[in-house]
Amino acid sequence: DGGITQSPKYLFRKEGQNVTLSCEQNLNHDAMYWYRQDPGQGLRLIYYSQIVNDFQKGDIAEGYSVSREKKESFPLTVTSAQKNPTAFYLCASSIRGSSSAFFGQGTRLTVV
Amino acid sequence: GQQLNQSPQSMFIQEGEDVSMNCTSSSIFNTWLWYKQEPGEGPVLLIALYKAGELTSNGRLTAQFGITRKDSFLNISASIPSDVGIYFCAGPIQGAQKLVFGQGTRLTINP
Repeated sequence: DGGITQSPKYLFRKEGQNVTLSCEQNLNHDAMYWYRQDPGQGLRLIYYSQIVNDFQKGDIAEGYSVSREKKESFPLTVTSAQKNPTAFYLCASSIRGSSSAFFGQGTRLTVV
Repeated sequence: GQQLNQSPQSMFIQEGEDVSMNCTSSSIFNTWLWYKQEPGEGPVLLIALYKAGELTSNGRLTAQFGITRKDSFLNISASIPSDVGIYFCAGPIQGAQKLVFGQGTRLTINP
């Protein structure tokens, strides 16, 4: 079945460690996105990529990094520079030129 | 920047009641999207609107693209327990292929 897969669903890390969240899609979508969601709040854009080997910062990119080496994959690294990394992270993808994004199931990151 | 304001922030209703929520912006949007998110899951696209004045239904859900292009409305008729969740409106930022989201409306249903 086509879709977006985020892994793992739950992730625990110690403070000061970098951690990479996986996002894979087999929908043949050109554009991919990473959002952060905090309790009781909406989604805030971290990074997005419209084509392979290209990506742009969103509204809250500080402390995060991404890569887009393959069309299917858009991993997000939460670095030790991110002050409050504990959150629910959502990956999405869309057809280029379309605003309708489809989401993965999310990864809940807890930093202790 | 462009922001979307949703209201109400939360709703507590009885099963069988109709629900109305809205989303407003100070900027014009060319597309309005409505998503539903269940606990611990990613948002799921419910309805997409592409033209001012457009009224679109998806089962018991009906959404409208406001004439001014600065607002949108979502109605749910005859609510059932599985309607529980957070409903988000979203729209693409002008000139960029990225979405901005409202803060969400949390719907709780008493059986």
